[in-house]
Amino acid sequence: AQSVTQLGSHVSVSEGALVLLRCNYSSSVPPYLFWYVQYPNQGLQLLLKYTSAATLVKGINGFEAEFKKSETSFHLTKPSAHMSDAAEYFCAVSVVNAGGTSYGKLTFGQGTILTVHP
Amino acid sequence: DARVTQTPRHKVTEMGQEVTMRCQPILGHNTVFWYRQTMMQGLELLAYFRNRAPLDDSGMPKDRFSAEMPDATLATLKIQPSEPRDSAVYFCASGPRFSDGLGEQYFGPGTRLTVT
Repeated sequence: AQSVTQLGSHVSVSEGALVLLRCNYSSSVPPYLFWYVQYPNQGLQLLLKYTSAATLVKGINGFEAEFKKSETSFHLTKPSAHMSDAAEYFCAVSVVNAGGTSYGKLTFGQGTILTVHP
Repeated sequence: DARVTQTPRHKVTEMGQEVTMRCQPILGHNTVFWYRQTMMQGLELLAYFRNRAPLDDSGMPKDRFSAEMPDATLATLKIQPSEPRDSAVYFCASGPRFSDGLGEQYFGPGTRLTVT
């Protein structure tokens, strides 16, 4: 079974500071990994995805994530935080069934709320 | 700009009443997911469909919840009878055909349900 663990339910940074949101995964097969963002009173929005093409993945709004197999990690970073980045961020892994197929089902982490201070 | 739409956006109802939530997936998408989000439990998958066929509804309380896709443009989630513990935000998401196995999902804005 596949799972993800997000370290830290709340992260607070100053505007202009580095953003680092941590995600570790567990998977017996090569994983497909995702970061989604949820702004207040909205649905989740795909930020970026790793599907084995390149280990460093760039997403929208200046975010990027690096897949590190040796560390089973997929941390999300942004060099300089902006006030508009304040949201909840979810790491997710695609679920593969016993037969090795998947239909796009995801297992989500518990989420990390990012607060950006002026 | 293709989007997943959900109706109603807000619903307040009394315990015991039937609640129906509707979702229109993005045209051409072949997978549809229903999620429930609460502060205590976070994001929970209730059910999902591929090509309108239910693949997994193990996340739903079977005695009161039901999910269907009458056609490719409509997915419904019903609760009968509703209970206060069903109060949550319910999200629908759809996935594009090319994304089978990849997990790329597009979420609607959600239906905020309050059961009193």
